Amino acid sequence: QQQVKQSPQSLIVQKGGIPIINCAYENTAFDYFPWYQQFPGKGPALLIAIRPDVSEKKEGRFTISFNKSAKQFSLHIMDSQPGDSATYFCAASEGNEKLTFGTGTRLTIIP
Amino acid sequence: DVKVTQSSRYLVKRTGEKVFLECVQDMDHENMFWYRQDPGLGLRLIYFSYDVKMKEKGDIPEGYSVSREKKERFSLILESASTNQTSMYLCASSSGGARGGNEQFFGPGTRLTVL
Repeated sequence: QQQVKQSPQSLIVQKGGIPIINCAYENTAFDYFPWYQQFPGKGPALLIAIRPDVSEKKEGRFTISFNKSAKQFSLHIMDSQPGDSATYFCAASEGNEKLTFGTGTRLTIIP
Repeated sequence: DVKVTQSSRYLVKRTGEKVFLECVQDMDHENMFWYRQDPGLGLRLIYFSYDVKMKEKGDIPEGYSVSREKKERFSLILESASTNQTSMYLCASSSGGARGGNEQFFGPGTRLTVL
């Protein structure tokens, strides 16, 4: 049973555009929502994370928007660059429990 | 600098062989995890461990076992490899109290091919 649904599966955006990746969850007990970034040949690495007491979090060009009532959260990348091309995974966990990952989005930023 | 290392980047085995994938972390983390990554399926948790000699099943434990004899080392074992176990295997570790869920640090992965 997939508890975190991620879309789209792949995304192509021109340099400078704002790619948006969406995730939806079912378990209302989830209280930690990280995004991981994975470059080819590397393991995923934590990019940014949010807890449900805030609706938005920014770190540099990366922003998480969180909608608790809709049980959705999304990643926005401002002024996207070719170096942002990677696979992005959303995830969620309850308390200090294990993470449940989405299926991933392959993002390509074209010059 | 935090580091999770995996014993092999690429591995080719034959159906029925016993396969050991090793993972070592140097961050003194309590929690360690094994995932497999397949296109369109994301990261699926196979097994995890919150402490030495402890293990818990993840979402897809069938066909796998694990061993954690030392805090820094977590091994994934395929008792009798099958072609449907061809995949990328990722190890991760995290700190964080009694149970995991905080930032996980991943190794580079082992791409296993079973012929």
